Amino acid sequence: AQSVTQLDSHVSVSEGTPVLLRCNYSSSYSPSLFWYVQHPNKGLQLLLKYTSAATLVKGINGFEAEFKKSETSFHLTKPSAHMSDAAEYFCVVTLGRGGSQGNLIFGKGTKLSVKP
Amino acid sequence: DGGITQSPKYLFRKEGQNVTLSCEQNLNHDAMYWYRQDPGQGLRLIYYSQIVNDFQKGDIAEGYSVSREKKESFPLTVTSAQKNPTAFYLCASSTRTSGVLYEQYFGPGTRLTVT
Repeated sequence: AQSVTQLDSHVSVSEGTPVLLRCNYSSSYSPSLFWYVQHPNKGLQLLLKYTSAATLVKGINGFEAEFKKSETSFHLTKPSAHMSDAAEYFCVVTLGRGGSQGNLIFGKGTKLSVKP
Repeated sequence: DGGITQSPKYLFRKEGQNVTLSCEQNLNHDAMYWYRQDPGQGLRLIYYSQIVNDFQKGDIAEGYSVSREKKESFPLTVTSAQKNPTAFYLCASSTRTSGVLYEQYFGPGTRLTVT
């Protein structure tokens, strides 16, 4: 069965320092993986996606994630945090082969705080 | 502008009343979804529809109902049978090619408060 675990419920960094948000997944198939960001009282915005092409995926706003099959991980990173990065981040895996059912399994989210 | 709209942004109801949340998309997407978000819980799937006039229950469908009469619209009714309806509700849609559904695009959400 597919599942996703975000290892930290809250991460706090200083502006200008690196960001690491950790995600581990479990999937019976080759998964598609996504990171979404949600600012308070807003919908979710797609940051980046992995769909079995390059293992290092670049997204919007300077974020990137690396798919590591041996570690079943898909951690999100950014070299230098900005105040506007403060938000909640969700790691997501598809349900079903090739996402054919379209159902997404969401992690519980990681709240990122950025200190000045 | 293409996108997903949800209305209203905030909704207040008395316990025992049914309420319908609107979701419209002009992205020409085949599939649409309803999620519920509670603090610390991530998102949980209520219902989804891959094509007009067809929909399936998600993980927490009890106390909810949907319809999909048009491709662009997927309204969600929260019935009085839903025991804890206060939550943030998100609608999403995705395109579909050769049986594969792609990433989902989300609306801005509706915050429902039932007292």
